[in-house]
Amino acid sequence: GNSVTQMEGPVTLSEEAFLTINCTYTATGYPSLFWYVQYPGEGLQLLLKATKADDKGSNKGFEATYRKETTSFHLEKGSVQVSDSAVYFCALSRDQFYFGTGTSLTVIP
Amino acid sequence: DGGITQSPKYLFRKEGQNVTLSCEQNLNHDAMYWYRQDPGQGLRLIYYSQIVNDFQKGDIAEGYSVSREKKESFPLTVTSAQKNPTAFYLCASSRTSGGINTGELFFGEGSRLTVL
Repeated sequence: GNSVTQMEGPVTLSEEAFLTINCTYTATGYPSLFWYVQYPGEGLQLLLKATKADDKGSNKGFEATYRKETTSFHLEKGSVQVSDSAVYFCALSRDQFYFGTGTSLTVIP
Repeated sequence: DGGITQSPKYLFRKEGQNVTLSCEQNLNHDAMYWYRQDPGQGLRLIYYSQIVNDFQKGDIAEGYSVSREKKESFPLTVTSAQKNPTAFYLCASSRTSGGINTGELFFGEGSRLTVL
C-alpha cells in the first residue's frame, strides 16, 4: 500500500539554525512527492514538490530530494526564520494523496 | 484568480442539527476531496470525487454525506449521526488523468465547525 512516515514533533529551533524534517514513504509504482506548509488557522499550501527520482524540489530556501533508493524526501533549510514557524506535512500522490501526520516547527528569535 | 473557496469560515451548530459546508473551485479540476483535521493531528480523508455524479468514501465517512452535481462544487453535509463533529474541515482539488493525480493538491482556507 501507500503511506508516509514523518518525523514526530514538535521541533523548536533558534533563528538561523539548520532544519531537517525526515520523511519516508511506501508506495506502489512511482509517486510524486510533496511538502505542504500550514500556518495557524489556514489551509495547506504547497511548499515544494518532486515528480521523479533524483528530482530536487526547492522554494523559499527549503529543499527536498526524491531518493528512490532510500524511499525518502527529507525537508531541509539552511537558516530558519521566525516566519517559518508552522506545521509541515509530507505527502505522496498516486490514486489519492497520502499525508504524514505533520511536524510542528517553532523558531525562536 | 483561480482557487478554492470554502464557506463559512466559522460555523456553530447545536447537537442534532445537520450542517452543510460549501466548497467551490474554478481550477477546472476533476478531483475534489474533503479532509478533517483535529487539533495537533494530521489530515483524515472523509470523501473524494474524481468525476461529476460519482464519489467514494474515505477513511472516516460515517456521519457525513456529499454530492457532486457540478464539476466545480463539492458540498459536505455533517449529519447528526456524526458523534464528534467539532473539527477543522478542508476541501481540496487536483488534476487527474486516468484516475491518477497529475499535479499537486490545492486547498481551500478551511471551515471550523464547533458543536455547542
